[in-house]
Amino acid sequence: DAGVIQSPRHEVTEMGQEVTLRCKPISGHDYLFWYRQTMMRGLELLIYFNNNVPIDDSGMPEDRFSAKMPNASFSTLKIQPSEPRDSAVYFCASIRGQGVYNEQFFGPGTRLTVL
Amino acid sequence: GIQVEQSPPDLILQEGANSTLRCNFSDSVNNLQWFHQNPWGQLINLFYIPSGTKQNGRLSATTVATERYSLLYISSSQTTDSGVYFCAVERDNQGGKLIFGQGTELSVKP
Repeated sequence: DAGVIQSPRHEVTEMGQEVTLRCKPISGHDYLFWYRQTMMRGLELLIYFNNNVPIDDSGMPEDRFSAKMPNASFSTLKIQPSEPRDSAVYFCASIRGQGVYNEQFFGPGTRLTVL
Repeated sequence: GIQVEQSPPDLILQEGANSTLRCNFSDSVNNLQWFHQNPWGQLINLFYIPSGTKQNGRLSATTVATERYSLLYISSSQTTDSGVYFCAVERDNQGGKLIFGQGTELSVKP
């Protein structure tokens, strides 16, 4: 299996621009998670989906952030407009689903720099 | 919410030394994972260990769920073990939501 795939790996943009991060979960996994990692706040969960439906978006920092999962193999995290404080590494992760074994697998991350 | 505390926050070892990293959590959990974040930022799964003991080569982990802690043992450390080690837990019926500790930054010197 290819694992969780994220693109782009690096993104540099200017304040005010729209940013779209992409994620492809592991095939057969029905939960998808978006995390953000910063020095100040560590790793924090932003939103997660089950069977393409958003379940908990309480970690989304503000209305500038939105996430979608149009099908089982693709999700996007969008920031519009972007601000310098959004600079961070954004990770996507997936699991097969609730049950006996819920090991979560992470993608390589997207390093976002907003100038 | 549940609190996850890792210790020590930093650790410097000479190559070949052994170490123990600790993770304490404040409530019952049904999932606990250890990750290694390498210098390139990749989060690598080490163990899925909600309870019991597992070993994988030079690494082993033990979780005592009733006492709310987990330990990660690294034996005969190598420079490639350097990076940050995270413990992450999921509370019961939380749909897979992982809460991460702040990590232990390990540096192994040659």
